[in-house]
Amino acid sequence: GESVGLHLPTLSVQEGDNSIINCAYSNSASDYFIWYKQESGKGPQFIIDIRSNMDKRQGQRVTVLLNKTVKHLSLQIAATQPGDSAVYFCAENRVNNNAGNMLTFGGGTRLMVKP
Amino acid sequence: ETGVTQSPTHLIKTRGQQVTLRCSSQSGHNTVSWYQQALGQGPQFIFQYYREEENGRGNFPPRFSGLQFPNYSSELNVNALELDDSALYLCASSPGTSLETQYFGPGTRLLVL
Repeated sequence: GESVGLHLPTLSVQEGDNSIINCAYSNSASDYFIWYKQESGKGPQFIIDIRSNMDKRQGQRVTVLLNKTVKHLSLQIAATQPGDSAVYFCAENRVNNNAGNMLTFGGGTRLMVKP
Repeated sequence: ETGVTQSPTHLIKTRGQQVTLRCSSQSGHNTVSWYQQALGQGPQFIFQYYREEENGRGNFPPRFSGLQFPNYSSELNVNALELDDSALYLCASSPGTSLETQYFGPGTRLLVL
């Protein structure tokens, strides 16, 4: 079935190192992808997005890469800080005649930053 | 902060009861989506409202229903609560129904005993 999933459930990095969180998707018709960060007890927070006509997009300390050939998405965080510790979700956003503009989330990756 | 607010923050109900959760969308956003997030999992799409009409629905039974009001705020109603309904319920607003970023509120934590 259609799914958005993540390779690693937990990622532990040293403060100051770069982090890479990966995500695989199975629906080649996906149009738009978003990375969200969710801290304990809070709702998902938008980090960065990318449309299917792009392969790279950069934000402040974050970069998203999209490889449509292998249906793979990654989030790179530069100089990881303790405040980056959270669960990260990739989400697929596709206009669906039956379900409107729905997001399909993966199971999440927990990023732990060691001081 | 996204400007999306939800109430209440926490709620405890017993099996068989009914619950209403509320969401105020971000200013300028006319679309509200509801998601259920079980512990340790990603959010699951329940349904979406656009200009007071249901615009799409995920794989949830009819006992999950909703409303959207003229000011674009929204309610999620769940009847005949089951233990598995215990979850974080998230509301997200967006400026439209095309491929728009959805901004989430803090959620309502529902516990069904």
